[in-house]
Amino acid sequence: QITLKESGPTLVKPTQTLTLTCTFSGFSLTTSGVGVGWIRQPPGKALEWLALIYWDGDKRYSPSLKSRLTIAKDTSKNQVVLRMTNMDPVDTGTYYCAHSRTTVFGDDAFDIWGQGTMVTVSS
Amino acid sequence: DIQMTQSPSSLSASVGDRVTITCRASQRISSYLNWYQQKPGKAPKLLIYAASSLQSGVPSRFSGSGSGTDFTLTISSLQPEDFAAYYCQQSYSTPHTFGQGTKLEIK
Repeated sequence: QITLKESGPTLVKPTQTLTLTCTFSGFSLTTSGVGVGWIRQPPGKALEWLALIYWDGDKRYSPSLKSRLTIAKDTSKNQVVLRMTNMDPVDTGTYYCAHSRTTVFGDDAFDIWGQGTMVTVSS
Repeated sequence: DIQMTQSPSSLSASVGDRVTITCRASQRISSYLNWYQQKPGKAPKLLIYAASSLQSGVPSRFSGSGSGTDFTLTISSLQPEDFAAYYCQQSYSTPHTFGQGTKLEIK
């Protein structure tokens, strides 16, 4: 059974750096075709794709946020960490991590999600 | 980035109705299109991947179709638990952008 859980601060100040950790079980991030992604959702708004790291270490970022984001994996701890610098109130929202699999058709899908963690950016 | 546009943004329907939600990509994405359902306060749930493949455990009243730029999600007979928000997502190229969502409400 695959599970993921996000952890990190619930409140950060503007200009600070946010560090979120996704701790997972039930799969290995060294298995071909597997990835872990981060997605966020401002209150009452749509989902926004942030970043994805694949089993082979390939990292992909949203171009609009690329200068602020860093994604990294620690396979020994079964964790993926997302860092976002220079936080602003518009970054307030729920942050999700999710298991990504490459399907038999060659595309990716987030098939298992964490419960999400709410992050508020305020002074 | 590939832009994903869903229509309608909101929809009112009754239990038993057949409902269709549309998603259009700003460029051709083959069949690299996923659909998710999200209930209030919960994480999204994968319903359909590769445009028309039903995720394991998802009821057969959900179906997806389309390729290229135009896609649809159809619910054949709405059940009370289907009232939620629905999002499409392209996985043709990163960033794997989502649509703006469709909120399905009870009439």
